[in-house]
Amino acid sequence: GAVVSQHPSRVICKSGTSVKIECRSLDFQATTMFWYRQFPKQSLMLMATSNEGSKATYEQGVEKDKFLINHASLTLSTLTVTSAHPEDSSFYICSARDFEGGTQYFGPGTRLLVL
Amino acid sequence: QQPVQSPQAVILREGEDAVINCSSSKALYSVHWYRQKHGEAPVFLMILLKGGEQKGHEKISASFNEKKQQSSLYLTASQLSYSGTYFCGTAGGSSNTGKLIFGQGTTLQVKP
Repeated sequence: GAVVSQHPSRVICKSGTSVKIECRSLDFQATTMFWYRQFPKQSLMLMATSNEGSKATYEQGVEKDKFLINHASLTLSTLTVTSAHPEDSSFYICSARDFEGGTQYFGPGTRLLVL
Repeated sequence: QQPVQSPQAVILREGEDAVINCSSSKALYSVHWYRQKHGEAPVFLMILLKGGEQKGHEKISASFNEKKQQSSLYLTASQLSYSGTYFCGTAGGSSNTGKLIFGQGTTLQVKP
């Protein structure tokens, strides 16, 4: 199956700092990537859809100025959590869509802890 | 709108069968099934694109009833490795935009 990497896998930061998370599709090109957030024992909540070369589309209730998304190439999307606060602590997972088959492949996730 | 999965949790003995259902209040274009183990990212199981389609993957198969806006995941002769949380993700509308809305998950525990 297709491989999606995410970096870093785990990050601890102080309140008020910014954190960047990278998502890469390693063996296929992804015109569309998605960013999800998952709290413990809850479902995957879609935050935004990232399209290569255009602005991201954010879901209702997600602050676009707080969660900056950049999809610079067909294999890389980044999510920057700006001015992070403890309530932003969560498991952030990206997925990349295989355009041919429509399947979404998930990265391994990034666990963010804001102190 | 989030699809509804049932049951919320199920406990099985090795070798037993289970069915997990996923229902949507909206018309569906496709249904995607994933399994997530604790602390890990979801792993793709299968995608169903057509109404009435059935697919199989080893001892795990699924059906998709487009008219009823439902999908079911069938786990036969369950193994310990099947333990985890199963999510269905649904894509609505008449075209495949790729955006998925996930159900709340069904936790499956397989005991020896």
